[in-house]
Amino acid sequence: QVQLQESGPGLVRPSQTLSLSCTVSGGSISGSTYYWSWIRQPPGEGLEWIGHIHQSGSTFYSPSLKSRVLISVDTSENQFSLKVTSVTAADTAVYYCVRSSGAFSNWFDPWGQGTLVTVSS
Amino acid sequence: QSALTQPASVSGSPGQSITISCTGTSSDVGGYKYVSWYQQHPGKVPKLILYDVSNRPSGISNRFSGSKSGNTASLTISGLQAEDEADYYCSSYTSSSARVFGTGTKVTVL
Repeated sequence: QVQLQESGPGLVRPSQTLSLSCTVSGGSISGSTYYWSWIRQPPGEGLEWIGHIHQSGSTFYSPSLKSRVLISVDTSENQFSLKVTSVTAADTAVYYCVRSSGAFSNWFDPWGQGTLVTVSS
Repeated sequence: QSALTQPASVSGSPGQSITISCTGTSSDVGGYKYVSWYQQHPGKVPKLILYDVSNRPSGISNRFSGSKSGNTASLTISGLQAEDEADYYCSSYTSSSARVFGTGTKVTVL
Protein backbone atom coordinates (compact mmCIF):
# COMPACT_ATOMS: atom_id res chain seq x y z
CA GLN A 1 0.00 0.00 0.00
CA VAL A 2 1.10 3.54 -0.67
CA GLN A 3 2.77 5.40 2.19
CA LEU A 4 3.97 8.98 2.36
CA GLN A 5 6.59 10.49 4.65
CA GLU A 6 7.39 14.16 5.11
CA SER A 7 10.87 15.41 5.91
CA GLY A 8 12.45 18.79 6.51
CA PRO A 9 13.40 21.34 9.16
CA GLY A 10 11.08 21.77 12.11
CA LEU A 11 12.11 25.38 12.69
CA VAL A 12 12.24 28.17 10.14
CA ARG A 13 13.15 31.80 10.76
CA PRO A 14 10.67 34.52 9.80
CA SER A 15 11.09 35.83 6.23
CA GLN A 16 12.99 32.67 5.25
CA THR A 17 11.83 29.81 3.01
CA LEU A 18 10.14 26.71 4.33
CA SER A 19 11.21 23.58 2.44
CA LEU A 20 9.72 20.11 2.85
CA SER A 21 9.98 16.88 0.92
CA CYS A 22 7.63 13.93 0.71
CA THR A 23 8.85 10.45 -0.10
CA VAL A 24 6.31 8.06 -1.58
CA SER A 25 6.74 4.32 -1.03
CA GLY A 26 4.66 1.34 -2.07
CA GLY A 27 3.66 3.00 -5.31
CA SER A 28 5.05 5.15 -8.07
CA ILE A 29 4.35 8.80 -8.73
CA SER A 30 5.20 8.20 -12.38
CA GLY A 31 2.45 6.98 -14.61
CA SER A 32 -0.28 7.59 -12.08
CA THR A 33 -3.38 9.67 -12.61
CA TYR A 34 -3.29 11.00 -9.07
CA TYR A 35 -2.38 14.42 -7.82
CA TRP A 36 0.13 14.78 -4.98
CA SER A 37 -0.91 17.41 -2.49
CA TRP A 38 0.25 19.46 0.45
CA ILE A 39 -2.20 20.32 3.22
CA ARG A 40 -1.45 22.14 6.46
CA GLN A 41 -3.08 22.51 9.85
CA PRO A 42 -2.10 25.27 12.29
CA PRO A 43 -2.09 24.12 15.93
CA GLY A 44 -5.66 23.83 17.19
CA GLU A 45 -7.10 24.93 13.86
CA GLY A 46 -8.60 23.42 10.72
CA LEU A 47 -7.19 22.01 7.50
CA GLU A 48 -5.98 24.19 4.66
CA TRP A 49 -5.28 22.92 1.15
CA ILE A 50 -2.01 24.36 -0.18
CA GLY A 51 -1.82 22.87 -3.67
CA HIS A 52 -1.01 19.82 -5.74
CA ILE A 53 1.19 18.52 -8.52
CA HIS A 54 0.72 15.87 -11.19
CA GLN A 55 3.50 13.53 -12.24
CA SER A 56 3.69 15.52 -15.46
CA GLY A 57 4.77 18.52 -13.42
CA SER A 58 1.56 20.50 -13.78
CA THR A 59 0.65 22.32 -10.58
CA PHE A 60 -2.27 24.10 -9.00
CA TYR A 61 -2.11 26.25 -5.88
CA SER A 62 -4.51 27.75 -3.39
CA PRO A 63 -5.25 31.31 -4.54
CA SER A 64 -4.45 32.61 -1.07
CA LEU A 65 -0.95 31.11 -1.09
CA LYS A 66 -0.15 31.09 -4.79
CA SER A 67 2.33 33.96 -4.66
CA ARG A 68 4.54 32.24 -2.06
CA VAL A 69 4.27 28.52 -2.86
CA LEU A 70 6.13 26.22 -5.20
CA ILE A 71 5.49 22.48 -5.49
CA SER A 72 7.84 20.33 -7.53
CA VAL A 73 8.23 16.64 -8.30
CA ASP A 74 11.21 14.34 -8.74
CA THR A 75 9.86 11.16 -10.30
CA SER A 76 13.30 9.51 -10.29
CA GLU A 77 13.36 9.75 -6.50
CA ASN A 78 9.60 9.20 -6.16
CA GLN A 79 9.40 12.44 -4.19
CA PHE A 80 7.58 15.74 -4.33
CA SER A 81 8.45 18.92 -2.49
CA LEU A 82 7.01 22.11 -1.09
CA LYS A 83 8.56 25.55 -0.75
CA VAL A 84 6.87 28.44 1.00
CA THR A 85 8.71 31.75 0.80
CA SER A 86 8.67 34.76 3.13
CA VAL A 87 7.21 32.81 6.03
CA THR A 88 5.67 34.38 9.10
CA ALA A 89 4.31 32.98 12.35
CA ALA A 90 1.02 32.38 10.53
CA ASP A 91 2.75 29.64 8.53
CA THR A 92 3.37 27.63 11.69
CA ALA A 93 1.48 24.39 11.18
CA VAL A 94 1.59 20.64 10.78
CA TYR A 95 2.27 20.04 7.11
CA TYR A 96 0.89 16.89 5.50
CA CYS A 97 1.75 15.39 2.15
CA VAL A 98 -1.16 13.46 0.69
CA ARG A 99 -2.13 11.52 -2.38
CA SER A 100 -5.23 13.03 -3.93
CA SER A 101 -7.73 12.18 -6.57
CA GLY A 102 -7.36 13.02 -10.22
CA ALA A 103 -9.36 15.57 -12.11
CA PHE A 104 -12.88 14.20 -11.73
CA SER A 105 -13.13 13.65 -8.02
CA ASN A 106 -11.95 15.17 -4.76
CA TRP A 107 -10.46 13.03 -2.06
CA PHE A 108 -7.25 12.85 -0.07
CA ASP A 109 -5.85 9.44 0.90
CA PRO A 110 -3.49 8.29 2.24
CA TRP A 111 -1.91 11.00 4.35
CA GLY A 112 1.64 11.26 5.61
CA GLN A 113 2.09 11.38 9.36
CA GLY A 114 2.60 15.15 9.20
CA THR A 115 5.50 17.30 10.29
CA LEU A 116 5.29 20.34 12.54
CA VAL A 117 7.01 23.41 11.19
CA THR A 118 7.40 26.31 13.59
CA VAL A 119 8.23 29.79 12.32
CA SER A 120 10.14 31.63 15.01
CA SER A 121 13.28 33.61 15.52
CA GLN B 1 -11.62 30.89 -1.62
CA SER B 2 -13.49 30.88 1.70
CA ALA B 3 -13.66 27.82 3.92
CA LEU B 4 -16.88 25.85 3.82
CA THR B 5 -19.10 26.43 6.85
CA GLN B 6 -19.59 23.67 9.39
CA PRO B 7 -21.12 23.83 12.88
CA ALA B 8 -18.40 24.13 15.51
CA SER B 9 -19.78 21.27 17.54
CA VAL B 10 -22.40 18.53 17.46
CA SER B 11 -23.18 16.09 20.23
CA GLY B 12 -25.27 12.99 20.71
CA SER B 13 -25.79 10.03 22.98
CA PRO B 14 -24.57 6.53 22.16
CA GLY B 15 -26.85 4.85 19.66
CA GLN B 16 -28.31 8.08 18.37
CA SER B 17 -27.82 9.57 14.90
CA ILE B 18 -26.23 12.95 14.29
CA THR B 19 -25.83 15.04 11.15
CA ILE B 20 -23.05 17.48 10.34
CA SER B 21 -23.69 20.09 7.66
CA CYS B 22 -21.17 21.59 5.25
CA THR B 23 -22.37 24.72 3.50
CA GLY B 24 -20.69 26.31 0.53
CA THR B 25 -21.79 28.00 -2.65
CA SER B 26 -22.78 27.12 -6.18
CA SER B 27 -19.09 27.43 -7.08
CA ASP B 28 -18.10 24.54 -4.87
CA VAL B 29 -20.46 22.24 -2.96
CA GLY B 30 -23.49 23.14 -5.04
CA GLY B 31 -21.79 22.84 -8.38
CA TYR B 32 -20.19 19.42 -8.12
CA LYS B 33 -20.66 15.98 -6.62
CA TYR B 34 -17.07 16.11 -5.38
CA VAL B 35 -17.46 16.43 -1.63
CA SER B 36 -15.40 14.31 0.75
CA TRP B 37 -15.34 13.93 4.53
CA TYR B 38 -12.51 13.28 6.98
CA GLN B 39 -12.38 12.10 10.59
CA GLN B 40 -9.52 13.27 12.79
CA HIS B 41 -8.97 12.01 16.31
CA PRO B 42 -6.85 14.22 18.61
CA GLY B 43 -3.20 14.11 17.64
CA LYS B 44 -3.89 11.82 14.71
CA VAL B 45 -3.84 12.08 10.94
CA PRO B 46 -7.12 12.84 9.13
CA LYS B 47 -8.84 9.78 7.70
CA LEU B 48 -11.01 9.70 4.57
CA ILE B 49 -14.49 8.41 5.42
CA LEU B 50 -16.62 9.51 2.42
CA TYR B 51 -15.88 10.72 -1.10
CA ASP B 52 -17.96 11.95 -4.03
CA VAL B 53 -20.71 12.90 -1.55
CA SER B 54 -21.79 9.43 -0.46
CA ASN B 55 -19.21 6.79 -1.36
CA ARG B 56 -17.41 4.93 1.43
CA PRO B 57 -13.81 3.77 1.00
CA SER B 58 -13.12 0.14 1.76
CA GLY B 59 -13.14 -0.55 5.48
CA ILE B 60 -15.30 2.41 6.49
CA SER B 61 -18.36 1.55 8.55
CA ASN B 62 -21.76 1.85 6.89
CA ARG B 63 -22.79 3.92 9.92
CA PHE B 64 -21.29 6.84 7.99
CA SER B 65 -23.43 8.18 5.16
CA GLY B 66 -23.48 11.32 3.07
CA SER B 67 -25.85 13.40 1.02
CA LYS B 68 -26.09 16.76 -0.69
CA SER B 69 -28.86 19.25 -1.32
CA GLY B 70 -28.16 22.50 -3.10
CA ASN B 71 -25.11 24.17 -1.60
CA THR B 72 -25.09 22.02 1.55
CA ALA B 73 -23.57 18.58 2.00
CA SER B 74 -24.25 16.47 5.06
CA LEU B 75 -22.54 13.67 6.95
CA THR B 76 -24.74 11.44 9.08
CA ILE B 77 -23.34 9.14 11.72
CA SER B 78 -25.87 6.55 12.83
CA GLY B 79 -25.62 4.34 15.90
CA LEU B 80 -23.21 6.81 17.50
CA GLN B 81 -20.32 5.16 19.34
CA ALA B 82 -17.69 6.48 21.74
CA GLU B 83 -15.02 5.95 19.07
CA ASP B 84 -16.82 8.43 16.80
CA GLU B 85 -15.79 11.30 19.08
CA ALA B 86 -13.44 13.29 16.85
CA ASP B 87 -13.19 16.29 14.58
CA TYR B 88 -14.82 16.05 11.16
CA TYR B 89 -13.95 18.06 8.06
CA CYS B 90 -15.62 18.31 4.68
CA SER B 91 -13.82 19.20 1.46
CA SER B 92 -15.07 20.25 -1.96
CA TYR B 93 -13.79 20.76 -5.46
CA THR B 94 -14.26 24.34 -6.64
CA SER B 95 -14.97 26.05 -9.94
CA SER B 96 -11.42 27.40 -10.00
CA SER B 97 -10.11 23.83 -9.72
CA ALA B 98 -8.86 24.53 -6.19
CA ARG B 99 -9.91 22.40 -3.26
CA VAL B 100 -11.36 23.82 -0.08
CA PHE B 101 -11.95 22.41 3.39
CA GLY B 102 -14.70 23.10 5.87
CA THR B 103 -14.17 24.84 9.19
CA GLY B 104 -14.42 21.56 11.08
CA THR B 105 -16.91 20.10 13.55
CA LYS B 106 -16.13 18.59 16.94
CA VAL B 107 -18.35 15.62 17.66
CA THR B 108 -18.93 14.79 21.30
CA VAL B 109 -20.49 11.53 22.47
CA LEU B 110 -22.38 12.26 25.65
